[in-house]
Amino acid sequence: EIVMTQSPATLAVSPGERAALSCRASQSVSINFAWYQQKPGQAPRLLIYGASTRATGIPARFSGSGSGTEFTLTISSLQSEDFAVYFCQQYNNWPLTFGGGTKVEI
Amino acid sequence: EAQLAESGGGLIQPGGSLRLSCVASEFSISTNSMSWVRQAPGKGLEWVSSINSGGPNVGNTDYADFVKGRFFISRDKSKNTLYLQMNSLRADDTAVYYCARGNYYMDVWGKGTTVIVSS
Repeated sequence: EIVMTQSPATLAVSPGERAALSCRASQSVSINFAWYQQKPGQAPRLLIYGASTRATGIPARFSGSGSGTEFTLTISSLQSEDFAVYFCQQYNNWPLTFGGGTKVEI
Repeated sequence: EAQLAESGGGLIQPGGSLRLSCVASEFSISTNSMSWVRQAPGKGLEWVSSINSGGPNVGNTDYADFVKGRFFISRDKSKNTLYLQMNSLRADDTAVYYCARGNYYMDVWGKGTTVIVSS
């Protein structure tokens, strides 16, 4: 099983600032990699797939980069609605596995 | 807009069974692979099971090791509904269960249904 490790566990930022979230895979997943956002009491929402492709309707301030084992989600200028938990996921190997999440808070 | 709506969760004793349902709207589960993902209270996301759609592997299913032999995924194309039959439930199966479209990345998610396994 591929283990996905996210860092930091919590990221404190201010509105308008840039945030960079990291995810590391225990072995290469190529670009078979996704990011999700989850707000309290809500279902996850797909942000990025293929490591860098924004899903439908996702604002351009969200960008994904990386390949192999190291990935980054960058939020260029945090809006109030971006404060949430972010999960990474690999789909290169079964079982599908998720990271433990990064909480972005004020 | 594509949507998913789960139902069937509840409080169940250890060892019991439940069947979760997930109705899809504005798209067909016949032509899309589908998955179940769960989230224990205060925890992260955990893939449970997927069912393929299309190609030579139509209907192929996959399961996480921790549910293999206890949970079974299926679908009724006429009802555009995905199911998860859960047997021999344990306390650590307590979670919100989400159905989602896709068996690689998942682009449409339901709101989830809560399963609590407790005596």
